[in-house]
Amino acid sequence: AQSVTQPDIHITVSEGASLELRCNYSYGATPYLFWYVQSPGQGLQLLLKYFSGDTLVQGIKGFEAEFKRSQSSFNLRKPSVHWSDAAEYFCDEQGAQKLVFGQGTRLTINP
Amino acid sequence: DSGVTQTPKHLITATGQRVTLRCSPRSGDLSVYWYQQSLDQGLQFLIQYYNGEERAKGNILERFSAQQFPDLHSELNLSSLELGDSALYFCASSVAPDYEQYFGPGTRLTVT
Repeated sequence: AQSVTQPDIHITVSEGASLELRCNYSYGATPYLFWYVQSPGQGLQLLLKYFSGDTLVQGIKGFEAEFKRSQSSFNLRKPSVHWSDAAEYFCDEQGAQKLVFGQGTRLTINP
Repeated sequence: DSGVTQTPKHLITATGQRVTLRCSPRSGDLSVYWYQQSLDQGLQFLIQYYNGEERAKGNILERFSAQQFPDLHSELNLSSLELGDSALYFCASSVAPDYEQYFGPGTRLTVT
């Protein structure tokens, strides 16, 4: 069955430190991959997406993600986090009439 | 502001009751999605419509139903409500299936 795994339920980093959030997808064909962010009490907001082409995609708020087919991964990165990045992050895979979100990674920022 | 509107923002009702949640997609979007988010289940995809037709189904209970109307707004009907149905219900829309989704602010349902 199609699934998306975000292995880290909760990550804490210091402000200014680099960040990498992991996402592994399982769908065999070329996936459509997305990262969304959810601030407390808010709906989800799209950070970036991958359909095809360049495997390194840039998103909003300084985030980027790299698609690695060999590892079935689509990890989200940011070189220097800000306190406002504290939120929950969801990886999403779509394709063939299936939509699968990961269970989310909650990011806490230490001052 | 994503452009997706949901009403009501909050809803408190009793077990056994029926409620209807409403969603208006972004202008130009043809696809609408419904999600349930709770602390124990996380974000669960319920159902997707595209231009009035059901396109994909997720973990939607038989007590729940949805439809998308000709003006593209959508309604999610929840019946025979149970305590465990208390959750945030999100609607999202996209221009077409498999494209990025824009989420509404959600409806918080509390079943007492």
